[in-house]
Amino acid sequence: EAGVAQSPRYKIIEKRQSVAFWCNPISGHATLYWYQQILGQGPKLLIQFQNNGVVDDSQLPKDRFSAERLKGVDSTLKIQPAKLEDSAVYLCASSYAGPLYEQYFGPGTRLTVT
Amino acid sequence: AQTVTQSQPEMSVQEAETVTLSCTYDTSENNYYLFWYKQPPSRQMILVIRQEAYKQQNATENRFSVNFQKAAKSFSLKISDSQLGDTAMYFCAFITLSGNTPLVFGKGTRLSVIA
Repeated sequence: EAGVAQSPRYKIIEKRQSVAFWCNPISGHATLYWYQQILGQGPKLLIQFQNNGVVDDSQLPKDRFSAERLKGVDSTLKIQPAKLEDSAVYLCASSYAGPLYEQYFGPGTRLTVT
Repeated sequence: AQTVTQSQPEMSVQEAETVTLSCTYDTSENNYYLFWYKQPPSRQMILVIRQEAYKQQNATENRFSVNFQKAAKSFSLKISDSQLGDTAMYFCAFITLSGNTPLVFGKGTRLSVIA
């Protein structure tokens, strides 16, 4: 069974530029999550999708971050414009149905904003 | 608010020895799940072990076991016969069964297994 795929693995941009991350969850998983992991901290949920609908985006900085999950499969997370404090690893995870099921994580994208 | 505290930022252990990682949490809920995740340098987060709060028996997965003390809100991870491949960040995490809150992670403990 293929795992959660993410791309790119690394990205370096200058502040005020835009960036997009892509995630392909495990086939058949209805729930998809984006987490932000700042160096030295645990992951923090940014947004949770159930199929193609948003379940929880309470911690997503909506003035600069956006995410979509078209057709209930792949998802993209965008930052526009980026700030220095957005430097972090962005993790995508998926689960069969909701957060009480085991979440499977992708390898993450390390973003550096200079 | 739900919080998870890992008081040991770094730990080290000799290969084949046993090590215990600490975790405490705070919640007013009675029904919840607790997890330990491992994040090796490759960054891929992997579930190590899971404990349902309504179960009194401590969970065990091969060399990994937990000591769950519900009254004390404590959830420690014991790794027996430590191996070099156990070197990683370990995160304690928590979610309520109500599903109204997301999975909440602690800040992690960096474990180094020394040959």
